[in-house]
Amino acid sequence: QKEVEQDPGPLSVPEGAIVSLNCTYSNSAFQYFMWYRQYSRKGPELLMYTYSSGNKEDGRFTAQVDKSSKYISLFIRDSQPSDSATYLCAMSASTQGGSEKLVFGKGTKLTVNP
Amino acid sequence: DGGITQSPKYLFRKEGQNVTLSCEQNLNHDAMYWYRQDPGQGLRLIYYSQIVNDFQKGDIAEGYSVSREKKESFPLTVTSAQKNPTAFYLCASSSRVSGNTIYFGEGSWLTVV
Repeated sequence: QKEVEQDPGPLSVPEGAIVSLNCTYSNSAFQYFMWYRQYSRKGPELLMYTYSSGNKEDGRFTAQVDKSSKYISLFIRDSQPSDSATYLCAMSASTQGGSEKLVFGKGTKLTVNP
Repeated sequence: DGGITQSPKYLFRKEGQNVTLSCEQNLNHDAMYWYRQDPGQGLRLIYYSQIVNDFQKGDIAEGYSVSREKKESFPLTVTSAQKNPTAFYLCASSSRVSGNTIYFGEGSWLTVV
């Protein structure tokens, strides 16, 4: 079993839809969770950062962590064509030792159609 | 503006030639990283450095070399020993103050012909 699993998609939705992006993981020690957005031919940019379980909201974006199920989600409300990108989840067990321990999902490609 | 600058954005090289990718950051971050991104493969760690004059191999270091002579700079050399060098290369940095969240540069596209 891979440490982090993420459905590569592609996912295509109409403008205004609610989008749900997900990752599952196997390492129960993970407690820091991140979502990155990567536009085509660009570097990933940090979208959301959460620690342990619970929800975090930022504008149209909500990150959710369920440690009991080893499952994290990113919800996008009122999706826009500008949200079309690849979304990568990332997670780590500890801030000790640096971010070389960060494990990334392979990314889900999202297209929002006008 | 603070950030990570990678250059060049696009680079073409002949097979057998070494090539160096530049990465400079003005975020005052201690740690810097190089990743390689291939379609369907996700991000793979090549090398990382937590402090000046020290660096460690990542998961796919063979055929690559780095140096960390200054806090701001972490250049990557793709040597002729790298079997499949054509890829998108990403430089990143992090700070313990920011919870070790990684911030990426815009990337460099290397094509070897």
